[in-house]
Amino acid sequence: GQNIDQPTEMTATEGAIVQINCTYQTSGFNGLFWYQQHAGEAPTFLSYNVLDGLEEKGRFSSFLSRSKGYSYLLLKELQMKDSASYLCAVRDSNYQLIWGAGTKLIIKP
Amino acid sequence: IAGITQAPTSQILAAGRRMTLRCTQDMRHNAMYWYRQDLGLGLRLIHYSNTAGTTGKGEVPDGYSVSRANTDDFPLTLASAVPSQTSVYFCASSKAGGSYNEQFFGPGTRLTVL
Repeated sequence: GQNIDQPTEMTATEGAIVQINCTYQTSGFNGLFWYQQHAGEAPTFLSYNVLDGLEEKGRFSSFLSRSKGYSYLLLKELQMKDSASYLCAVRDSNYQLIWGAGTKLIIKP
Repeated sequence: IAGITQAPTSQILAAGRRMTLRCTQDMRHNAMYWYRQDLGLGLRLIHYSNTAGTTGKGEVPDGYSVSRANTDDFPLTLASAVPSQTSVYFCASSKAGGSYNEQFFGPGTRLTVL
């Protein structure tokens, strides 16, 4: 079966750095996405990785290791507005997205 | 219209009733999707359409139907609602279905079936 694993919840302090991990087992791999979802709102796109390595975009970076079936999202200089759920999704061999349940990130002052 | 709109925003429905959730996008995206999101679970694909005139089944299609008569609209119909269909429903679109392209999501419809 196909499976995406992420921690259910994480807590971090404003101004700090947090790493959210995602491991996956899917039928094929055609890219990995990270989305942010604030409570009661729609998911919004953050990053995309298809090759191994780190993709940096401002305060957010995403890393991929295809051989390990592993990705992480790194958030630096945390702000209160970063309190949200972070969703990991893998595009499988049918080019459909398989989604993790999301990681709820709580930022404390 | 800017992006994707969904209607209604929320709905309480009696079991057994028929309901159509509407989704319209103005980005001229070829591909559109319907997901449901339930607490503790990832987004699950119900149906999708890679281009106008074609549709496909996702992970959880039972009890739902879709149509794609044109590029902009992708309605989702529950023929006879059941309580297990209580969920938040998101419509999404992307430029193409088969290559990298991020999906853009509508604001969602919160559906409660009693």
